[in-house]
Amino acid sequence: NAGVTQTPKFQVLKTGQSMTLQCAQDMNHEYMSWYRQDPGMGLRLIHYSVGAGITDQGEVPNGYNVSRSTTEDFPLRLLSAAPSQTSVYFCASSSQGSNEQYFGPGTRLTVT
Amino acid sequence: GESVGLHLPTLSVQEGDNSIINCAYSNSASDYFIWYKQESGKGPQFIIDIRSNMDKRQGQRVTVLLNKTVKHLSLQIAATQPGDSAVYFCAENENSGNTPLVFGKGTRLSVIA
Repeated sequence: NAGVTQTPKFQVLKTGQSMTLQCAQDMNHEYMSWYRQDPGMGLRLIHYSVGAGITDQGEVPNGYNVSRSTTEDFPLRLLSAAPSQTSVYFCASSSQGSNEQYFGPGTRLTVT
Repeated sequence: GESVGLHLPTLSVQEGDNSIINCAYSNSASDYFIWYKQESGKGPQFIIDIRSNMDKRQGQRVTVLLNKTVKHLSLQIAATQPGDSAVYFCAENENSGNTPLVFGKGTRLSVIA
């Protein structure tokens, strides 16, 4: 299994641009989530999904959209990038009834 | 609001010594706790977990202790090695499975050779 994969690894955007961060897992996990990690802030939950077709907001959802059309994929969309969205983004997944989340390698995003 | 936090943001330990990383939580309804290790440039990696019906759980060189009375969690690493150098996060949630984990801010462990 590849586990949780994320693309791209690095991205630089200009303010106002849009883009999609990709996340995929091949473990048939129902639960997937997106976090952002900023220095001194730990991991903050952006959005999560408990299964295909179901998404919900986390602690810091503003400026981000998600969809879950398949079990495997959980893309994160930035509609209009802002410098405040400069961060490292992690996707995670876990199986039904389990709290053990598997994290991807992260995407480092810089918005200028 | 409810939060999970850490007492020490940085910890330096001599190689071979034991390390203790602490975490305080404020949500009395939390019933599941987990420790993650994050090495530089990588995503967090599961270390060990514990449910609220336990006060101690041991893994390979790691032990998690839970004191529900004072809402305190600790991670003990025995015979600390250079490969243990990383940032360690505690996390918690209220229900078993598929509810969002709340993460603490992390403690950086530096092992001195």
